[in-house]
Amino acid sequence: DIVVTQSPESLAVSLGETATINCKSSQSVWYSNNNKNYLAWYQQKAGQPPSLLIYWASTRESGVPDRFSGSGSGTDFTLTISSLQAEDVAVYYCQQYFDSRQFSFGQGTKLEIK
Amino acid sequence: QITLKESGPTLVKPTQTLTLTCTFSGFSLDTSGVSVAWIRQPPGKALDWLSLIYWNDEKRYSTSLKSRLTITKDTSKNQVVLTMTNMEPVDTGTYYCAYSPSEWGGSSGWYVRWGQGILVTVSS
Repeated sequence: DIVVTQSPESLAVSLGETATINCKSSQSVWYSNNNKNYLAWYQQKAGQPPSLLIYWASTRESGVPDRFSGSGSGTDFTLTISSLQAEDVAVYYCQQYFDSRQFSFGQGTKLEIK
Repeated sequence: QITLKESGPTLVKPTQTLTLTCTFSGFSLDTSGVSVAWIRQPPGKALDWLSLIYWNDEKRYSTSLKSRLTITKDTSKNQVVLTMTNMEPVDTGTYYCAYSPSEWGGSSGWYVRWGQGILVTVSS
């Protein structure tokens, strides 16, 4: 099974600054046949279901502000939120969908305003 | 517009079997590449992927819970049903169903729509 580990568990960032969240998978989620990384990012605000932000590690879902960007390849990935706004307070999760037998999520990173 | 809604009991006793239904609209589970998954979240904790069913009736289960889970679909009713046997207090949490679209004619793997979730409490 692929284990996905996020860091940090929580972080506090000032408004207008940049937040960086890391995600590491226990094995590569890059598929050579299509040169794609099978990793997605979600945002979950308090009391709401998760909302898809990014898939294929760096493709923004329709309607997601371009302040949100994903990068990385293989086993190491990053979600970057630039020009942080108050509405970005949430818990962020990464998810691997490389292992078609069982998908898995990271443990989440809580983002707060400093 | 794609919507999903979870229904079922909100309180179950230990050792009982939980049956949850996901009723959806805006897509067909007959469409190649589409899938519906169940994901749960204990209070204050992380998302926990449980199971999924594909358009072609292939099924996947969490390896740690495989012996307790069964997922089925009723395409005519636009429903996906999850059963979990031998419920324990640690199974308390919000259970979500989520929709994964097709991509290039195959399965994508990410979840673009989620239901609001149903909070299930396991207690005697």
